Amino acid sequence: DGGITQSPKYLFRKEGQNVTLSCEQNLNHDAMYWYRQDPGQGLRLIYYSQIVNDFQKGDIAEGYSVSREKKESFPLTVTSAQKNPTAFYLCASSIGPVGDAGVEAFFGQGTRLTVV
Amino acid sequence: SQKIEQNSEALNIQEGKTATLTCNYTNYSPAYLQWYRQDPGRGPVFLLLIRENEKEKRKERLKVTFDTTLKQSLFHITASQPADSATYLCALDDYNFNKFYFGSGTKLNVKP
Repeated sequence: DGGITQSPKYLFRKEGQNVTLSCEQNLNHDAMYWYRQDPGQGLRLIYYSQIVNDFQKGDIAEGYSVSREKKESFPLTVTSAQKNPTAFYLCASSIGPVGDAGVEAFFGQGTRLTVV
Repeated sequence: SQKIEQNSEALNIQEGKTATLTCNYTNYSPAYLQWYRQDPGRGPVFLLLIRENEKEKRKERLKVTFDTTLKQSLFHITASQPADSATYLCALDDYNFNKFYFGSGTKLNVKP
């Protein structure tokens, strides 16, 4: 089955620690995205990548880092510099860039990160 | 500033009625507008896409309209069912920057 897989589903982090969220897709999609969702707010874009070895900051990139070494994988690291990391994190992919013929986004099931 | 506004109050309707959800946007010029469904604790799932030159799009019990003059999209679910209860998000593309922008969603509760 093709899809996008995020792991783990729940993650607890102590203050001051970095933590990495996994996102893997087998849809052969070029573009991948990381969003953060807080209660009562829309999805906010953290980072996005349109091609391997290239990525761009989204609207709230501070305190986060990503890599795109393989087409299938787009891990997100939440660093200790992120002051309020507790949130629901969603990874998505699309077949091409957003501007191409109205592509849709496919989402993973999300990772709920809690700082303890 | 750019905004995508969806009604933050939950919409409560009776089974069998038509649900209508609104998405308003400012300072965007989207070529497409999309609607997604999100269930609690899960990722959004794509439902429908409508292009700027389309006034209306239908898929089974779903209908979407797109008025670029009013900068508004309406999302209708006819003959609603309790299984339609979820949060519905609208999303715009930003053609210039190759991003999706999402609204905060409206929660729909369909009562039997």
